[in-house]
Amino acid sequence: DTGVSQDPRHKITKRGQNVTFRCDPISEHNRLYWYRQTLGQGPEFLTYFQNEAQLEKSRLLSDRFSAERPKGSFSTLEIQRTEQGDSAMYLCASSPHLGAGAYNEQFFGPGTRLTVL
Amino acid sequence: SQKIEQNSEALNIQEGKTATLTCNYTNYSPAYLQWYRQDPGRGPVFLLLIRENEKEKRKERLKVTFDTTLKQSLFHITASQPADSATYLCAPPPGAGSYQLTFGKGTKLSVIP
Repeated sequence: DTGVSQDPRHKITKRGQNVTFRCDPISEHNRLYWYRQTLGQGPEFLTYFQNEAQLEKSRLLSDRFSAERPKGSFSTLEIQRTEQGDSAMYLCASSPHLGAGAYNEQFFGPGTRLTVL
Repeated sequence: SQKIEQNSEALNIQEGKTATLTCNYTNYSPAYLQWYRQDPGRGPVFLLLIRENEKEKRKERLKVTFDTTLKQSLFHITASQPADSATYLCAPPPGAGSYQLTFGKGTKLSVIP
């Protein structure tokens, strides 16, 4: 257990429905990341927050996807009008801010597995 | 565009042998590279980070090398054990100043008793 928690762990929904996932990072970490992983692939970056500011966003993040981190603590990822292609594992990770140019490991949560029927 | 390749999707080795996994990258020069382990149904777990000015990094039975001329990182597990069976992911950043990681597809290692 890395200390990063995600909820729910599994979500099954019908096409066209909206879903929201939550991530609670390690409390002292001010960087938070969302990734998506499909079977046989490595995680793909979706978006990144430093505190409450969303600083990077992948082109993979279509208009149907939105992420927030309102108080710089937990984060939510919402997918509107889900499509079957959204079926994947959604991973959240956090890391501390060690200063500009400092590189550090990311701590991943267990993921939320989304199945869109 | 930037590309990361892990040379094999699956690698089977006998217990006690050294496993060597390869990560090649093209079209850019990352300042560092991380290796993660992922077990089925779980998130990746950080193993090692190596910077561009470091040739080699070790941690217990793990060793990582970084050859910026060959644009390649090698990940070694010595005296492998069945508990080392997992998928190993190579993850450099996509570019300078970016804190996200760009993962390879991973190599699934199976250590046979």
